[in-house]
Amino acid sequence: GQSLEQPSEVTAVEGAIVQINCTYQTSGFYGLSWYQQHDGGAPTFLSYNALDGLEETGRFSSFLSRSDSYGYLLLQELQMKDSASYFCAVRGNTDKLIFGTGTRLQVFP
Amino acid sequence: DAGVIQSPRHEVTEMGQEVTLRCKPISGHNSLFWYRQTMMRGLELLIYFNNNVPIDDSGMPEDRFSAKMPNASFSTLKIQPSEPRDSAVYFCASCSGGGASREQYFGPGTRLTVT
Repeated sequence: GQSLEQPSEVTAVEGAIVQINCTYQTSGFYGLSWYQQHDGGAPTFLSYNALDGLEETGRFSSFLSRSDSYGYLLLQELQMKDSASYFCAVRGNTDKLIFGTGTRLQVFP
Repeated sequence: DAGVIQSPRHEVTEMGQEVTLRCKPISGHNSLFWYRQTMMRGLELLIYFNNNVPIDDSGMPEDRFSAKMPNASFSTLKIQPSEPRDSAVYFCASCSGGGASREQYFGPGTRLTVT
């Protein structure tokens, strides 16, 4: 089967750095995506990793280790507006994305 | 671009009634997805269309659910009859390329409440 594991909740203060981990078990693997969802909003795409290493997009970075079936999303210089749920999603052999259960990030002043 | 458009944004109905959710994908996108999101089950893929053809409907919970895509710019998800356990937020998403395209564009969702 296919499964993804993420922590259910993470808390941090403004200006800090936070890392949200994702481990996956899939039949085949093509890439790992990250989505952000604010309360009452829709998921929006953040980043994608197909190869090992770090991808940086402004304050957000995403890392992948294919050998460890592991990735993470790194958020730097946290702002209050970063409070949201973050989902990892895996592209496996099936022609669809499989989403994790999401990590709720709360940023405190 | 207006993004993915869904209607209605909110729907409250009584158990046993028929519910129809509507979606207009982003122009030029050839893949369309219907997802359901609940606290208990997270974000679940219900059905995926590619070039208006249903490719994977393994996530459709039961025969009460049906989805159509009569053309490239319109899709519906119908629940008949509706039950309280169908209460959820239903998202439509679209993208270019296949179903596992790394970037899917989600609509604002329809919040369905069945009483």
